Amino acid sequence: GAVVSQHPSWVICKSGTSVKIECRSLDFQATTMFWYRQFPKQSLMLMATSNEGSKATYEQGVEKDKFLINHASLTLSTLTVTSAHPEDSSFYICSARTSGRARVYEQYFGPGTRLTVT
Amino acid sequence: GIQVEQSPPDLILQEGANSTLRCNFSDSVNNLQWFHQNPWGQLINLFYIPSGTKQNGRLSATTVATERYSLLYISSSQTTDSGVYFCAVSLYGNKLVFGAGTILRVKS
Repeated sequence: GAVVSQHPSWVICKSGTSVKIECRSLDFQATTMFWYRQFPKQSLMLMATSNEGSKATYEQGVEKDKFLINHASLTLSTLTVTSAHPEDSSFYICSARTSGRARVYEQYFGPGTRLTVT
Repeated sequence: GIQVEQSPPDLILQEGANSTLRCNFSDSVNNLQWFHQNPWGQLINLFYIPSGTKQNGRLSATTVATERYSLLYISSSQTTDSGVYFCAVSLYGNKLVFGAGTILRVKS
């Protein structure tokens, strides 16, 4: 099956610093990747959609200058949380999807990154 | 936008019991996925099932697209089945819309 990895799996950083999270599709090319955020005991909230080689599309209410997304290749997308604050502490999950040939739009999820800002 | 409702919100089972989880959605979709989120947070793909019926071991799923619902059946439940089960839908590769999930606890 399709495998998506994330790195790091957990990170602790100080308030005001930036953190970069990597999302890789290991055995397929991902034309589209998605970034989600999940608060404790809640469902997943989509933050942004990124297509390889183009700018990410952010959901309403998500600050694009704070959550920088780069999808530079068909196997790698990165999320950078800039000037992190304690309220940015959360579980961040990425997913990847292929091109949708044969009308298959299945998404595969990474294991998530737990960010704690002190 | 599309609304997704899952029921029940919580479910406690004795090991060996069977269960049915339901997912209702408010509009036409051509992508429906069921996931299991384990205690470490990893979402595991269970089924990609925009229509029809599929089975994988003790799990099976049925989606009736014309009536806008999907069912996930878990038979002979095991403690390792515990976790949160999410249903998510989309139309033509647009963003997945997740339900609130069903928290399943299987007791030994």
